[in-house]
Amino acid sequence: DAKTTQPNSMESNEEEPVHLPCNHSTISGTDYIHWYRQLPSQGPEYVIHGLTSNVNNRMASLAIAEDRKSSTLILHRATLRDAAVYYCILRAGANNLFFGTGTRLTVIP
Amino acid sequence: SQTIHQWPATLVQPVGSPLSLECTVEGTSNPNLYWYRQAAGRGLQLLFYSVGIGQISSEVPQNLSASRPQDRQFILSSKKLLLSDSGFYLCAGMTGKLNYGYTFGSGTRLTVV
Repeated sequence: DAKTTQPNSMESNEEEPVHLPCNHSTISGTDYIHWYRQLPSQGPEYVIHGLTSNVNNRMASLAIAEDRKSSTLILHRATLRDAAVYYCILRAGANNLFFGTGTRLTVIP
Repeated sequence: SQTIHQWPATLVQPVGSPLSLECTVEGTSNPNLYWYRQAAGRGLQLLFYSVGIGQISSEVPQNLSASRPQDRQFILSSKKLLLSDSGFYLCAGMTGKLNYGYTFGSGTRLTVV
């Protein structure tokens, strides 16, 4: 499975936008880019996914680079409830999604 | 939509005791099911996955086993727990379609003492 690289941690002020980067330089043409987040002591929660085009939903936006070797999860206005570990993973039909250590987002009030 | 039920939320077991964690799925049929373990401050490690009744694939050699007796039931077991089995155990389901994601249960925090 293609792997992803994310910063270990990021900070954001409350009510400001947050851009969480992810590098996936070995991505293949059939890999979907998925983002999950995990709140303390909970299971991961699906956030958004995409293949080539940018995607928006009620939780976030996903910006995918033209060469697909990187993507950015955008939280338009960070709230304290957005403090979590964010995972960027790739899915290409494999039965195993590789979850790395993700990015721990701290939101400062 | 798919819902994953896991219980118990927390469990403290002595070394050498047996373990049985159950995961059930609601809202979908014939899902792929997964057991993950997460050590403190670490990422998720896939332990087992199942694409159907009686079909189990193991990702890492370990002291644990898994079974899928029914389409919507996935069980994680051990005959004798080790201290190293402590962790946060998560069950997840996936419909199998490429543009669908995982749904996770709320997890079981197991402490082996």
